[in-house]
Amino acid sequence: AQSVTQLDSQVPVFEEAPVELRCNYSSSVSVYLFWYVQYPNQGLQLLLKYLSGSTLVESINGFEAEFNKSQTSFHLRKPSVHISDTAEYFCAVSGGGGTSYGKLTFGQGTILTVHP
Amino acid sequence: GAVVSQHPSWVICKSGTSVKIECRSLDFQATTMFWYRQFPKQSLMLMATSNEGSKATYEQGVEKDKFLINHASLTLSTLTVTSAHPEDSSFYICSAQTGSNQPQHFGDGTRLSIL
Repeated sequence: AQSVTQLDSQVPVFEEAPVELRCNYSSSVSVYLFWYVQYPNQGLQLLLKYLSGSTLVESINGFEAEFNKSQTSFHLRKPSVHISDTAEYFCAVSGGGGTSYGKLTFGQGTILTVHP
Repeated sequence: GAVVSQHPSWVICKSGTSVKIECRSLDFQATTMFWYRQFPKQSLMLMATSNEGSKATYEQGVEKDKFLINHASLTLSTLTVTSAHPEDSSFYICSAQTGSNQPQHFGDGTRLSIL
């Protein structure tokens, strides 16, 4: 069985400040890790993913996440946030069965609110 | 590319009625579609996995006779909430993928309110 814990339900920050959204997981098998973003009344958009290789992965809009196997973490960071980054962020894992994009287990979500 | 459309986006109906939600992959063929349920301020919970041409696989605790899933073509899956009650009110989201080693693409969700 897999589980995902997002340690902060809400993170308020000021514009241009750095931010870190924390994610820890537990699994008995190798996992694939994802961060999704959800804007109000919309579905989820894939922000970035870790499948293999370099443990530091980046998105096109300045977010990055680092896979830390020893700490079973996949924290999301951005050095300088914008108002438009305000959204809910979900960490997710999949794994087992030989598929990298199979059944996803989601964390509880973190609402990031960027204030001017 | 990889657009998933859900319809309707919002539905309000009386208790006891059945509601059908459609999930379409607009520009790709989806061998697998997933249905999730999201309660307010909570995460997404997988309800079922649907493969084209076969019966859906339901997660533990999800009533298959309550939530009927049909995946009759490679671009359409439907979720029918039968005899809906207020406790079925939720945000339902589908996703679709072209293969087991491809990302899931999510629809914009359907907000279901049962009065």
